[in-house]
Amino acid sequence: GDSVTQMEGPVTLSEEAFLTINCTYTATGYPSLFWYVQYPGEGLQLLLKATKADDKGSNKGFEATYRKETTSFHLEKGSVQVSDSAVYFCALLPTSGTYKYIFGTGTRLKVLA
Amino acid sequence: EPEVTQTPSHQVTQMGQEVILRCVPISNHLYFYWYRQILGQKVEFLVSFYNNEISEKSEIFDDQFSVERPDGSNFTLKIRSTKLEDSAMYFCASSGEANEKLFFGSGTQLSVL
Repeated sequence: GDSVTQMEGPVTLSEEAFLTINCTYTATGYPSLFWYVQYPGEGLQLLLKATKADDKGSNKGFEATYRKETTSFHLEKGSVQVSDSAVYFCALLPTSGTYKYIFGTGTRLKVLA
Repeated sequence: EPEVTQTPSHQVTQMGQEVILRCVPISNHLYFYWYRQILGQKVEFLVSFYNNEISEKSEIFDDQFSVERPDGSNFTLKIRSTKLEDSAMYFCASSGEANEKLFFGSGTQLSVL
């Protein structure tokens, strides 16, 4: 079945470091891909999305490119801030007309000043 | 920005007891969802609800689970007889259209003792 695999956390970085959180997926067809973020004490919020191959989603300095050939959607940011500390979830929505988003386990990011 | 509200934030119950988790989705949304995350595991889809009926459910959503939209604003998840393995963070979500982004609540941490 469809699935999402994220890199294990926690990831600890210093402020202004480069961030990559890996995400790969298994799905038939062309799913839509998402990154959600959960700040402490809050719900998951959509960070960015891409709906077809080679699309790049971007928001708040974060980027991810839909790579069909490697079935990946890695999250990157050039210079992280303390305020980026959160849990990041990769997710996909299959093309089969389902409402059922499939999430990864989440990766906790801690940014130190 | 409008938000999804979940209550309570924490619920502790004894095994075999019934629990009701409550959610107030965003007022003009039509699609409602419950997800859960057992500690250290993936965020798992439980059920989606549209037009006053379940539109899709997972294998986890067995006869012990039910959902209801009793009054046009609340959306509840009931677990009839809780088991230890039901301990998890339960997230409610809503969306305006079927494949639009999900708006999540901050979750209810359910602990079954």
